[in-house]
Amino acid sequence: EVVLTQSPDFQSVTPKEKITIICRASQNIGNSLHWYQQKPDQSPKLLIKYASQSISGVPSRFSGSGSGTDFTLTINSLEAEDAAAYFCHQSSTLPRTFGQGTKVEIK
Amino acid sequence: EVQLLESGGGLVQPGGSLRLSCAASGFTFSSYPMSWVRQPPGKGLEWVSIIGGSGSRIYYADSVEGRFTISRDNSRNTLYLQMNSLRAEDTAVYYCAKGDGADYWGQGTLVTVSS
Repeated sequence: EVVLTQSPDFQSVTPKEKITIICRASQNIGNSLHWYQQKPDQSPKLLIKYASQSISGVPSRFSGSGSGTDFTLTINSLEAEDAAAYFCHQSSTLPRTFGQGTKVEIK
Repeated sequence: EVQLLESGGGLVQPGGSLRLSCAASGFTFSSYPMSWVRQPPGKGLEWVSIIGGSGSRIYYADSVEGRFTISRDNSRNTLYLQMNSLRAEDTAVYYCAKGDGADYWGQGTLVTVSS
């Protein structure tokens, strides 16, 4: 099973800051890594697919990079509406797995 | 517009059964694998199962293997999850998700296993 480890678990940031969330895979998963945003009482929403591919309708301040075992989600110029939990997810091998999540709080 | 609507959740006693449904619209249902993902209250996401577009390829998480059965009816654009021998640790919101990369998710249905 591929274990995805996200860091940090929690981050408190001010508006307009830039944040980076890391997702490390326990084995090579190529670029089969996806990022989701989940706000309280909502279902997850896809932000980035296949490590770096943007999604229509997602603000351009969200970007992804990486391949193999190390991946990053970057949020430039954070806005209040970005307060949420962020999860990475791999679709390279079975069983599919998720990272434990990173909670982002806006100060 | 892609829409996924789960139903069938509720309160069930340990050892009981439930059948979840996910009604899909807005895309060619039979062309996509579909997944079930669950989220215990206040916790992270756990992948449960996936089924191929034709229904021929099916995989489960170890935690549900032998107790849960995923299926689909492409004529009704509906995904199912039959859950048997339910345990307290199966308590969660259950989401259906479209495609192997889970690009769209339903709103979820809550399953509570408790006596």
